Amino acid sequence: EDQVTQSPEALRLQEGESSSLNCSYTVSGLRGLFWYRQDPGKGPEFLFTLYSAGEEKEKERLKATLTKKESFLHITAPKPEDSATYLCAVQTHSSGSARQLTFGSGTQLTVLP
Amino acid sequence: NAGVTQTPKFQVLKTGQSMTLQCAQDMNHEYMSWYRQDPGMGLRLIHYSVGAGITDQGEVPNGYNVSRSTTEDFPLRLLSAAPSQTSVYFCASRLTGKDQPQHFGDGTRLSIL
Repeated sequence: EDQVTQSPEALRLQEGESSSLNCSYTVSGLRGLFWYRQDPGKGPEFLFTLYSAGEEKEKERLKATLTKKESFLHITAPKPEDSATYLCAVQTHSSGSARQLTFGSGTQLTVLP
Repeated sequence: NAGVTQTPKFQVLKTGQSMTLQCAQDMNHEYMSWYRQDPGMGLRLIHYSVGAGITDQGEVPNGYNVSRSTTEDFPLRLLSAAPSQTSVYFCASRLTGKDQPQHFGDGTRLSIL
């Protein structure tokens, strides 16, 4: 059974204090790993897709990296507007033709001014 | 271009009542899906559809019914509401090309008394 675990569950940072969120996965053949951002009362918003170990993607203050067992979302010099819940999800070769996603439970990030 | 639209945004039901959660997308996406989000458990797939007239079960389908008569609409029916179905429900859609990201609606918050 595919499993996705995110840590920590919650993280509080001061503005400008860089940190990383972790997404570890146990799957039977990774097809892709997705990162989403979710604001309170809203649906998840797509950030990145990573496909193979060693791959990195960046967007503004966010950088996502991937190894064979985990992914990190690095947040550099965060601002209060980066406060949100960050979700990761995996798609595997056994996801079927519909390529369903298995989601982690998220990390709730709060950036204090 | 509205994206994925879910109605209603909030609903309170009594045990045993039935209702339909509406989902519509205007992006001509073939793939649509329904998730529920519960605290500490992440998003779990209820049902999905790879095109009009085709639906299939996800991880937690019991107590829910779906149909897909058009590309745009994918309603979710609760047949006889139970307190365990209290949750936030998200509809998502995407293209069926390689690893296309899902686009989510803003959710329906459902309470069953």
